[in-house]
Amino acid sequence: SAVISQKPSRDICQRGTSLTIQCQVDSQVTMMFWYRQQPGQSLTLIATANQGSEATYESGFVIDKFPISRPNLTFSTLTVSNMSPEDSSIYLCSVNQGARGAEAFFGQGTRLTVV
Amino acid sequence: DAKTTQPNSMESNEEEPVHLPCNHSTISGTDYIHWYRQLPSQGPEYVIHGLTSNVNNRMASLAIAEDRKSSTLILHRATLRDAAVYYCILRDYGGGSQGNLIFGKGTKLSVKP
Repeated sequence: SAVISQKPSRDICQRGTSLTIQCQVDSQVTMMFWYRQQPGQSLTLIATANQGSEATYESGFVIDKFPISRPNLTFSTLTVSNMSPEDSSIYLCSVNQGARGAEAFFGQGTRLTVV
Repeated sequence: DAKTTQPNSMESNEEEPVHLPCNHSTISGTDYIHWYRQLPSQGPEYVIHGLTSNVNNRMASLAIAEDRKSSTLILHRATLRDAAVYYCILRDYGGGSQGNLIFGKGTKLSVKP
């Protein structure tokens, strides 16, 4: 299993600013994923972050808006840049060990409100 | 990733069994069937997964149709704590996929005391 800690758990930010969300895992993992969950909606995958390589972004998400770092096998950050009220969402970090069929683990999420 | 179809919502009475259906008619041979649930104000949590055979664990059972085009998550005795959104997800490692989970809208389960 894996325990994931996300920081901050919530924040209220001014439009035009940036927020960096941290994801810390208690064990080494191959793949980390970042999701966004807009109010009342399901989860949408933003990007996949593997250690030692550039993050892979899903359609509709770009690196300039959501830069990701993955400096080691237990840590990753997601930055939400130049925020607007439309970025108000819950952002979640997820990990799995990459084995076929392996279960994924999720952090509790970061609830972001942009005013 | 192949898509899944689930009812938007279901209701159950406490301590009764619940059968949550999922259709995945375009499932491929390498797709695993995963179920996750999301309790209010929490991140999703793993429930169960399977490939071809029925599976049981401490949380639930997963019944997979012989042709694998549908599956059913079974909660044997629903409790109030089981009220959540349940997601049925196909997870594939073929074609360069990294096994990321693609969430649909899920089924919102309500449990009445």
